[in-house]
Amino acid sequence: AQRVTQPEKLLSVFKGAPVELKCNYSYSGSPELFWYVQYSRQRLQLLLRHISRESIKGFTADLNKGETSFHLKKPFAQEEDSAMYYCASRARGYNKLIFGAGTRLAVHP
Amino acid sequence: SQTIHQWPATLVQPVGSPLSLECTVEGTSNPNLYWYRQAAGRGLQLLFYSVGIGQISSEVPQNLSASRPQDRQFILSSKKLLLSDSGFYLCAWSVKAGGPDEQFFGPGTRLTVL
Repeated sequence: AQRVTQPEKLLSVFKGAPVELKCNYSYSGSPELFWYVQYSRQRLQLLLRHISRESIKGFTADLNKGETSFHLKKPFAQEEDSAMYYCASRARGYNKLIFGAGTRLAVHP
Repeated sequence: SQTIHQWPATLVQPVGSPLSLECTVEGTSNPNLYWYRQAAGRGLQLLFYSVGIGQISSEVPQNLSASRPQDRQFILSSKKLLLSDSGFYLCAWSVKAGGPDEQFFGPGTRLTVL
């Protein structure tokens, strides 16, 4: 069965510091990985997907199959990055997303 | 453009009372539809998903049920609410597998069972 683990409930950093939100997945096949974000008073929305290998709002995430990880990184955190971040996985060809418990990122001035 | 609506936004219900939460999608046809519960410290838990009218898959055993009477309408129900049903319920939609993989979420319903 698929499982997504986000070990940190809260990550607190100062503005300008590097950020890494951890995500590990367990799946016997080759999953698709995503990061979703929920800003205060806004809807949950897609931030980025591993298959696109994109950088969104300065965030990147690399899929490491050896470590089964998909950590989200940003070199210099901004206050507006404060939000709830969810890692999610999906088996190829299926629509069901499996979400992690989420990590709240708090960026302080 | 596509939009997704949920109502009510908030709801306070006594234990043992029935529940009906509604979700509708506009601007797309034949979407996949999902109900999630978002609980503090537990993240997002998939409750039900539907690939078409009358087709419901339940992910976890629980006190809730779901129905899809129309293509773009998804309803979450309960005959008798429990205290443990309190939470934040999110509806989402996506296109079928093989298409763009993003799920689009509604604004959510905050349910408090007293």
